[in-house]
Amino acid sequence: GESVGLHLPTLSVQEGDNSIINCAYSNSASDYFIWYKQESGKGPQFIIDIRSNMDKRQGQRVTVLLNKTVKHLSLQIAATQPGDSAVYFCAENKGQTSGSRLTFGEGTQLTVNP
Amino acid sequence: GAGVSQTPSNKVTEKGKYVELRCDPISGHTALYWYRQSLGQGPEFLIYFQGTGAADDSGLPNDRFFAVRPEGSVSTLKIQRTERGDSAVYLCASSNGGSGDTQYFGPGTRLTVL
Repeated sequence: GESVGLHLPTLSVQEGDNSIINCAYSNSASDYFIWYKQESGKGPQFIIDIRSNMDKRQGQRVTVLLNKTVKHLSLQIAATQPGDSAVYFCAENKGQTSGSRLTFGEGTQLTVNP
Repeated sequence: GAGVSQTPSNKVTEKGKYVELRCDPISGHTALYWYRQSLGQGPEFLIYFQGTGAADDSGLPNDRFFAVRPEGSVSTLKIQRTERGDSAVYLCASSNGGSGDTQYFGPGTRLTVL
């Protein structure tokens, strides 16, 4: 079935390094993609989003890249800090035909080593 | 400003009992969503309200699950005859509109069915 998934379940980086978290999606009709950060015991926290008419979007220390040709989404975190340690989820919205529901991937656990 | 709040934060019940989970969305948000998150997985959509009406309830797993939003603000998720498989974190999110608007999540209610 249609799904959003992540390539790697865990990622460990050194403090100060750049992190790249990847996500593959299968529904070419999806028009809105979001990255969420979830710390233990908390709800998902919005990080950044991108619409299907864009290839790249930058925020504070984060960049999201969208490659519609291969249906791939990535989150880049610059100068990763210990506070960035969390599970990161990508999610997609499939547009008006599927209402407003978000479909989430399984998540990548990012660990930042001091 | 206040974010999405959920009560209780934890709920332990016995198999067969009835439970109610409450969500207070961000003030002014017309859209409200319920998701369920099992350990180690991403959130799964349950139901979406636009105002007082359920615009999409296709994610509810069976007729033991029901949700209401009578005044277009607070929502209650109701689970009848709870089963051990219902144990999960139930997340609520709200957004300013509908499809394509950022969904902001609450901290969740951890439900444990013994």
